[in-house]
Amino acid sequence: AQSVTQLDSQVPVFEEAPVELRCNYSSSVSVYLFWYVQYPNQGLQLLLKYLSGSTLVKSINGFEAEFNKSQTSFHLRKPSVHISDTAEYFCAVSGSGGFKTIFGAGTRLFVKA
Amino acid sequence: DTEVTQTPKHLVMGMTNKKSLKCEQHMGHRAMYWYKQKAKKPPELMFVYSYEKLSINESVPSRFSPECPNSSLLNLHLHALQPEDSALYLCASSQPTRDTEAFFGQGTRLTVV
Repeated sequence: AQSVTQLDSQVPVFEEAPVELRCNYSSSVSVYLFWYVQYPNQGLQLLLKYLSGSTLVKSINGFEAEFNKSQTSFHLRKPSVHISDTAEYFCAVSGSGGFKTIFGAGTRLFVKA
Repeated sequence: DTEVTQTPKHLVMGMTNKKSLKCEQHMGHRAMYWYKQKAKKPPELMFVYSYEKLSINESVPSRFSPECPNSSLLNLHLHALQPEDSALYLCASSQPTRDTEAFFGQGTRLTVV
């Protein structure tokens, strides 16, 4: 079975500061990992994904995540956040039962001026 | 076109009403999903259609009835809902494989009065 744990429910941070949102997973099959972002009153958007190959994956807006198999982690980082990064971030793993996605509980990133 | 379109964006219905939520995608995806999302929670999977056939029903009450008329359309028929069914209903689509992300619509904000 698969599961995802997001260790922080809320992360407040000042603008231009670095941030790390933590995600740990468990999986009994090959791992496909995703980070989705949800802005207020909107649907989810894919931020980045790890399928195979390089363990460091990057998004177009400056976020990156590193797949660490030994620590079963897929933490999301950004070196300098903007007010516009305020949103809910969900870590997810692809389930073994076909293509069902298992979501973590979410981390609310709140960027303060 | 990488959009999933959901209508309506907002819906208020009484407990004796019948209404339908609609979802459309033109990305050639053969898997489509309905999720329910309560405030400050991750999306909860309700139904999955694969190649227009219902493949997953997560023990959803029968007052929710999904329909997939063709590969581009997905409906959710609502009847005799309860106030606790008030939530954001998200539609998503993807290729029916594990190594692919889901594309989400903006959601329908449903309020049951």
